[in-house]
Amino acid sequence: QVQLVESGGGVVQPGRSLRLSCAASGFTFSSSGMHWVRQAPGKGLEWVAVISHDGRNKHYADSVRGRFTVSRDNSKNTLYLQMNSLRADDTAVYYCAKDRSRNWCFDYWGQGTLVTVSS
Amino acid sequence: QSALTQPASVSGSPGQSITISCTGTSSDVGGYNYVSWYQQHPGKAPKLIIYGVSNRPSGVSNRFSGSKSGNMASLTISGLQAEDEADYYCNSYTSSDTWVFGGGTKLTVL
Repeated sequence: QVQLVESGGGVVQPGRSLRLSCAASGFTFSSSGMHWVRQAPGKGLEWVAVISHDGRNKHYADSVRGRFTVSRDNSKNTLYLQMNSLRADDTAVYYCAKDRSRNWCFDYWGQGTLVTVSS
Repeated sequence: QSALTQPASVSGSPGQSITISCTGTSSDVGGYNYVSWYQQHPGKAPKLIIYGVSNRPSGVSNRFSGSKSGNMASLTISGLQAEDEADYYCNSYTSSDTWVFGGGTKLTVL
């Protein structure tokens, strides 16, 4: 069965960096686009970034463009999110989600990892 | 990248039907048949319940249905059950090669 397991969250000071990972199993990772979606405490879902199956195409939400970088290692079945210049409003649970091919939606989600940006 | 517009809350009694609206623009909801809906219970990850405007993934109850007219999509839940009480989010692909969520709707089963 499809499994997505995020890691790397924690407490970080404003302006610092953090890298999240998402370990995938149960499907052909190298054939699937992948997304990051976040949810601030008590708030709604916000799409963050997408990366194509081969890593060649990436797109970002305006709120993170220039600060966050999505990448993947298909040999390790792992998705990454490098987050730089973190701000208080980046505090959220970060989910990785698998793209449902040709349907442009998120068919499987991880359980999320909490990132808290605070001094 | 403005969020899609959903009502903050809806409610219904067991057995009744409710509809949640999701309003966007011609650059997202109105421009593509890539509207999806997600159910999220407290403390849990979201779950896909509708994709491609009106398609249900395998295993999702046929009490959930989706539709779209112009720039507005809708999710209908028929035969409300206590377990349907959750937050619901719409999502659409956009002309900027990005995705946008609605603000979410809290469903209360009375």
